[in-house]
Amino acid sequence: EAGVAQSPRYKIIEKRQSVAFWCNPISGHATLYWYQQILGQGPKLLIQFQNNGVVDDSQLPKDRFSAERLKGVDSTLKIQPAKLEDSAVYLCASSPLRLAVNNEQFFGPGTRLTVL
Amino acid sequence: KQEVTQIPAALSVPEGENLVLNCSFTDSAIYNLQWFRQDPGKGLTSLLLIQSSQREQTSGRLNASLDKSSGRSTLYIAASQPGDSATYLCAVRVNYGQNFVFGPGTRLSVLP
Repeated sequence: EAGVAQSPRYKIIEKRQSVAFWCNPISGHATLYWYQQILGQGPKLLIQFQNNGVVDDSQLPKDRFSAERLKGVDSTLKIQPAKLEDSAVYLCASSPLRLAVNNEQFFGPGTRLTVL
Repeated sequence: KQEVTQIPAALSVPEGENLVLNCSFTDSAIYNLQWFRQDPGKGLTSLLLIQSSQREQTSGRLNASLDKSSGRSTLYIAASQPGDSATYLCAVRVNYGQNFVFGPGTRLSVLP
């Protein structure tokens, strides 16, 4: 079974530029998550999708971050404009069912963003 | 608001030692707790998932315990190996259908 795919793996941009990340979850997984992991910290949820609908985006900085999952499969996360403090690893995860208590999350390798 | 802490932040041990990693959470009303491993530059790999009704889970040399009432979980690694070197994260699932709240991790180095 193929895992969660993410691209690019690394990205270096200057502040105020825009950047987009792509995620393809495990086939058949209804729920998709985007996390931000700053160096030395645990991942923090940015947004959670159930199919193509948003379940939780309470910690997404909506003035500069946006995400979509139009067909309920793959997803993109965009930052516009980027700030220095956005430097982090952006992790995508998926799980088969949102309402299953025992569902696990499966993570992709992440995209390491450096903002100069 | 649920907060998760992990002690120690970093740990270095010689190969072959048994070791314990600690995870604490402030709200005992959790649905489950999951331990992950993260290698440098990589994503997270799930190690063990403990349901709120369970006390422990075992997988190979790993054993995770859960004490909901005290807000604690431990990950026991037996006979550590250099390949166990990684950051270990615990995460608690607070509510039905919601995402995990992660701890900051413990960075483990096993010296040959």
